[in-house]
Amino acid sequence: NAGVTQTPKFRVLKTGQSMTLLCAQDMNHEYMYWYRQDPGMGLRLIHYSVGEGTTAKGEVPDGYNVSRLKKQNFLLGLESAAPSQTSVYFCASSLGQGMVRKAFFGQGTRLTVV
Amino acid sequence: AQSVSQHNHHVILSEAASLELGCNYSYGGTVNLFWYVQYPGQHLQLLLKYFSGDPLVKGIKGFEAEFIKSKFSFNLRKPSVQWSDTAEYFCAVNPITPGTYKYIFGTGTRLKVLA
Repeated sequence: NAGVTQTPKFRVLKTGQSMTLLCAQDMNHEYMYWYRQDPGMGLRLIHYSVGEGTTAKGEVPDGYNVSRLKKQNFLLGLESAAPSQTSVYFCASSLGQGMVRKAFFGQGTRLTVV
Repeated sequence: AQSVSQHNHHVILSEAASLELGCNYSYGGTVNLFWYVQYPGQHLQLLLKYFSGDPLVKGIKGFEAEFIKSKFSFNLRKPSVQWSDTAEYFCAVNPITPGTYKYIFGTGTRLKVLA
């Protein structure tokens, strides 16, 4: 049982390049989330999904797009990367809205935009 | 394995009572520490954080927390709670390990404040 798996673990992009982060969970969770963690700050919610085919904006959605075509996968896309998007990205999943109590987090993706 | 323990799962208080929620973690190295709050129907909101420096940190809405390194604790306090503090509170630890990034949450404490 892998839990929540994020790929890749590290990536360096040039300004303007695009990329997609993949989050996969094998627990049949309905809810999935993308957060970013910046130095000196707590987690900030980028986008989330309450089920297959649904997505919603979080606290800091600008510059990101997401898709949930399959229940087990939640993709985070950067169409034109900017240095301000240098961060550590965490994916999480949960059964329901009371997410954190039984939430599972991925191991994080460190993205550097130069 | 690294873990975060919150000892109180449910707390009921009357308005104006003082609050202290316990949080202990198991990790011998450097950590960043957080308290988050989740109000009913809403997402996580950061209450306060500790990265370094003064171990007594103040957050939003009158909350504060004290990092006691020798006890691996980061307890949350508020001198006088309000009905609007009814929510679920989560302690979280971000162990600082080069090359790895983890976020470990406690199981949460449900606080109910009676008007």
